[in-house]
Amino acid sequence: AQSVTQPDIHITVSEGASLELRCNYSYGATPYLFWYVQSPGQGLQLLLKYFSGDTLVQGIKGFEAEFKRSQSSFNLRKPSVHWSDAAEYFCAVGASSGNTPLVFGKGTRLSVIA
Amino acid sequence: DARVTQTPRDKVTEMGQEVTMRCQPILGHNTVFWYRQTMMQGLELLAYFRNRAPLDDSGMPKDRFSAEMPDATLATLKIQPSEPRDSAVYFCASGTGGMGNEQFFGPGTRLTVL
Repeated sequence: AQSVTQPDIHITVSEGASLELRCNYSYGATPYLFWYVQSPGQGLQLLLKYFSGDTLVQGIKGFEAEFKRSQSSFNLRKPSVHWSDAAEYFCAVGASSGNTPLVFGKGTRLSVIA
Repeated sequence: DARVTQTPRDKVTEMGQEVTMRCQPILGHNTVFWYRQTMMQGLELLAYFRNRAPLDDSGMPKDRFSAEMPDATLATLKIQPSEPRDSAVYFCASGTGGMGNEQFFGPGTRLTVL
């Protein structure tokens, strides 16, 4: 069965500092991987996705993620965090068949301090 | 700009009352998901539909929850009778069912049962 682990429940970074949010997945075949962001009081918005090809994926808002098959990871990164990046971030894995729902991690809450 | 819409955005009701939440998926999307988000449990899948047919509703308490798609442009989630433990944010998401089941989320309905 698919599963997603986000080891960090809450991370605090200073504005302008770099960010890396961790995501580990468990899936028997090639996964489809997603990062979503949820701002307070809002729904989930897709940041980026990996289906195949280049393992470094660029997303919106300056985010990128790298798929590492050997480590079963799909970590999200941003070189310089802005205060508006404070939100909850969810990693998700989907099956290649597309016939089963995404499996979401528990989320990582990001706080940004001045 | 195609979006998933949900109504109402906020609902406060008393225990025992019936609650109906509505979702309009993105036009052309044939897969609809209902999620519940709480602080304790995170994001939980309640049910999902493909081509208006329910594929899985195992995440839903059957005795009080029901989900339907009267037509391709409307999905409903009903709770009868509601209980305080149902207080949560309920999200609807839609997709095309392909490519790992990428999903597009609505803004959610915040339900408070007193």
